Amino acid sequence: GQQVMQIPQYQHVQEGEDFTTYCNSSTTLSNIQWYKQRPGGHPVFLIQLVKSGEVKKQKRLTFQFGEAKKNSSLHITATQTTDVGTYFCAATGNQFYFGTGTSLTVIP
Amino acid sequence: ETGVTQTPRHLVMGMTNKKSLKCEQHLGHNAMYWYKQSAKKPLELMFVYSLEERVENNSVPSRFSPECPNSSHLFLHLHTLQPEDSALYLCASSQETTPGVNSPLHFGNGTRLTVT
Repeated sequence: GQQVMQIPQYQHVQEGEDFTTYCNSSTTLSNIQWYKQRPGGHPVFLIQLVKSGEVKKQKRLTFQFGEAKKNSSLHITATQTTDVGTYFCAATGNQFYFGTGTSLTVIP
Repeated sequence: ETGVTQTPRHLVMGMTNKKSLKCEQHLGHNAMYWYKQSAKKPLELMFVYSLEERVENNSVPSRFSPECPNSSHLFLHLHTLQPEDSALYLCASSQETTPGVNSPLHFGNGTRLTVT
């Protein structure tokens, strides 16, 4: 099946610092979705990227889809403690292929 | 408030027990899924049901048996599980039977399963 690699696995940042997680695939993706899972919670859909080079923003979050549609990134500007959680990318083919996730810890 | 409800939230069972996990979606979606989430592993797709028919079974051991009596309900029947089956079991639904565009997954809160 399709493999989606996500880095880093863990990230600790001081509150106010920026954070980026990367999602990489060896094959071209149709589209990519991002999810956030708070500690003790369930994954919640954040956004979907479809077009090559697409950039979408949600307040302090910026999502980008690579030109070759093989990678994607999520960037958080000026992290807050509410950003704590695990961020997953999911590539879609005939099913969803989830990355391993990046666990973000924000130190107040 | 999630539109996907899972019960129970926590379950402890012995290896010889039989138990069932229940999932109900109130979103009018056409597809439902069971995922397994273990520590340090990607979300693992177990089963997919589309319009009440099973369309995907990712080589899941027969000790896990799904049931989808209608488009709103999904069960996972458990029998003679192993300790390594301990994990968070997540139910999800999506509008379209083909995942992706305009059809994100909506997850329930999950059942935390411990097999002793």
